[in-house]
Amino acid sequence: DAGITQSPRHKVTETGTPVTLRCHQTENHRYMYWYRQDPGHGLRLIHYSYGVKDTDKGEVSDGYSVSRSKTEDFLLTLESATSSQTSVYFCAIRDSSNSPLHFGNGTRLTVT
Amino acid sequence: EDQVTQSPEALRLQEGESSSLNCSYTVSGLRGLFWYRQDPGKGPEFLFTLYSAGEEKEKERLKATLTKKESFLHITAPKPEDSATYLCAVQAEGGYNKLIFGAGTRLAVHP
Repeated sequence: DAGITQSPRHKVTETGTPVTLRCHQTENHRYMYWYRQDPGHGLRLIHYSYGVKDTDKGEVSDGYSVSRSKTEDFLLTLESATSSQTSVYFCAIRDSSNSPLHFGNGTRLTVT
Repeated sequence: EDQVTQSPEALRLQEGESSSLNCSYTVSGLRGLFWYRQDPGKGPEFLFTLYSAGEEKEKERLKATLTKKESFLHITAPKPEDSATYLCAVQAEGGYNKLIFGAGTRLAVHP
C-alpha cells in the first residue's frame, strides 16, 4: 500500500449520529480524495483536497464535510448519518494532478 | 456528460483462456485513462496509465490499449490469481482533479 491508512476499517452506527472517518498518508502527497463505492455505481467522488485547508466538492457531497488541517490527514465527517450512507469509503492520494490515484484499503460503514 | 462504461459486468474464464475487457468513454477531452485491479476487501491497485490513442502498456499477462473511444485490457493465458475486479477510470480536460470510474468487470479464472 502507498503509505495510506484508513481508520476505522469497520464501523456500525445508528441513524442520526455523527461519524468521522480518518485518512492518514505518509507520502507527503498534495492531493487527497474521498470516494464511496456501492454495487453497480463504481467509485464516486465525495470531496477532495488540493492542499492544507483547500478542499472542494465532488459529485456526491451532500451530507458530508471534510477537513484537512495537516498535509498527512484528511477527515470525512457525516454530520448526521443516514442509511443511504451505508457504503465502503476509500481514501486516495496522488502527488500531481495527472498522476494515478493510490488508494487505502477502505472503511466499511453500516448505518442502521 | 462525461461517462465511462465497462463491459462485460462479469466474465468467467478457464485458466489459459485469453480474453479482453472493454472500457468505453465519452469525455470532452481525455487527459488520461487508468486501469486498476481490486481484490475483495481491498482498495483498487494501480495497473496502467494511457494518455493518447495508439498507446499500449504491458505487465505480465496484462496488456492495455487505447483508442479515441475505448480502451481494452487484454488478458493472455490467465491464471486463477488474476481473478479480481478490474476498474477503468478517465480523467477529462477541465476536471484535472477528478477521475470518473466505470462500474468494473468482475473476472473469475477457474483452474
